Amino acid sequence: NAGVTQTPKFQVLKTGQSMTLQCAQDMNHNSMYWYRQDPGMGLRLIYYSASEGTTDKGEVPNGYNVSRLNKREFSLRLESAAPSQTSVYFCASSAREGNTIYFGEGSWLTVV
Amino acid sequence: EDQVTQSPEALRLQEGESSSLNCSYTVSGLRGLFWYRQDPGKGPEFLFTLYSAGEEKEKERLKATLTKKESFLHITAPKPEDSATYLCAVRDLNDYKLSFGAGTTVTVRA
Repeated sequence: NAGVTQTPKFQVLKTGQSMTLQCAQDMNHNSMYWYRQDPGMGLRLIYYSASEGTTDKGEVPNGYNVSRLNKREFSLRLESAAPSQTSVYFCASSAREGNTIYFGEGSWLTVV
Repeated sequence: EDQVTQSPEALRLQEGESSSLNCSYTVSGLRGLFWYRQDPGKGPEFLFTLYSAGEEKEKERLKATLTKKESFLHITAPKPEDSATYLCAVRDLNDYKLSFGAGTTVTVRA
C-alpha cells in the first residue's frame, strides 16, 4: 500500500536555488494538500487542490507555487529558496474536501 | 480564526501508567476534530475523527473523547510502542481546511 508518496526525502539547497517537491497518491483521491511542519508549531497548509484542475492558497503560500498535474500528482515548487523555508514538507490527500486527510512520509528540506 | 492548543507539550510515562492528553479548540462551529499519531521521521497517521460533544472513539489502548471546548486522548496502560507525538486538528463548519495543534510528545519507558 503506497498511499501518498513524496520525493525527494532529503534535500539541501543554497539560498536562491529552485526545486520541486513531487507527490503522488494511488488512492484515487480528489483533494491534495501541501503542509509544512516546523518545531513547536502545528502543521500549516501551504496550498491545496480540492479537485483536479483547481488550486488554492492556504495559510502560508508566499514563496511557493503548485501544480496539479493530474488526479494523482501534485507538485510544490520553490522558485528562489530562502533559509526561512527550511522545514519538513508533507503532501497529503483526501477522497474529497471534508474527508479524512492522509499524509505522506515527508520531505526534509534545508536551505543554507 | 480557529485555534488549537495541546497540553502538555511533553509527557513522560512509565509503562502501565495511564494518562490523558488535552486538546482545547476555538472554532465558530465544529465540523470535526481529528487525532493523528506521528512517529519520528514519519508522516502523521490518522487515528480518530470526533464530530459532536459526548462522542467517544477507541483503538487499542487509546480512547478519544469530545466536549464543546476540548478533546482528551486517554492512554490506558501504555506500552513503549505508544511513544509518539500526538496531533490534534479541527475543521470549522465554514471551511474544509484543518487547523493543527503543535502536538504532545509522549515517551513511555519500560
